[in-house]
Amino acid sequence: GENVEQHPSTLSVQEGDSAVIKCTYSDSASNYFPWYKQELGKRPQLIIDIRSNVGEKKDQRIAVTLNKTAKHFSLHITETQPEDSAVYFCAASLGFQKLVFGTGTRLLVSP
Amino acid sequence: EAGVTQFPSHSVIEKGQTVTLRCDPISGHDNLYWYRRVMGKEIKFLLHFVKESKQDESGMPNNRFLAERTGGTYSTLKVQPAELEDSGVYFCASSQLPPGPDRRNTEAFFGQGTRLTVV
Repeated sequence: GENVEQHPSTLSVQEGDSAVIKCTYSDSASNYFPWYKQELGKRPQLIIDIRSNVGEKKDQRIAVTLNKTAKHFSLHITETQPEDSAVYFCAASLGFQKLVFGTGTRLLVSP
Repeated sequence: EAGVTQFPSHSVIEKGQTVTLRCDPISGHDNLYWYRRVMGKEIKFLLHFVKESKQDESGMPNNRFLAERTGGTYSTLKVQPAELEDSGVYFCASSQLPPGPDRRNTEAFFGQGTRLTVV
């Protein structure tokens, strides 16, 4: 079955810096890769996703890149702000089947 | 539009007792998923319903867990009898079925979770 690894487990940056979180997946059939942000005590919320027929997607300060050959995808946050502090989860799935999550990255943005 | 709602938000029970968690998905969402996060680890899949049918229950840990979705609306997850290792946050998520033969994924919306503590 699918296995997703995520690094780093914690990431501390200064406000205004960029943050990069990396994930690898094992099942080459996976075709959907969402990223969820979970703030303390709140529900996980989708912030960006990418499908296997696309190599990169951007939404304001957030971008995701996908390398199907290497089976890895990354989340890039530019100009980080304190409100970006949260736990970020990557995931992989095939169609509308279950999401397989990474272990999460705790991002701390210091003012 | 109401989001995915879960009840209760917290539950503390003794080992050996029974607990039932409830999830109300977004109206019209045929996909309903249960996940669990234990001890700050990854969010792990438990079960997937499509309408009232169990599509995939490969993540259910053992026969102490029973999930139902009668009528294809809300779902319940019962743990009986509860063990210490069942403690964690149980999330429910729902999504729309993609129309037609296109099996593309649609966004999964999560509830706020039920924090279960077994003592």
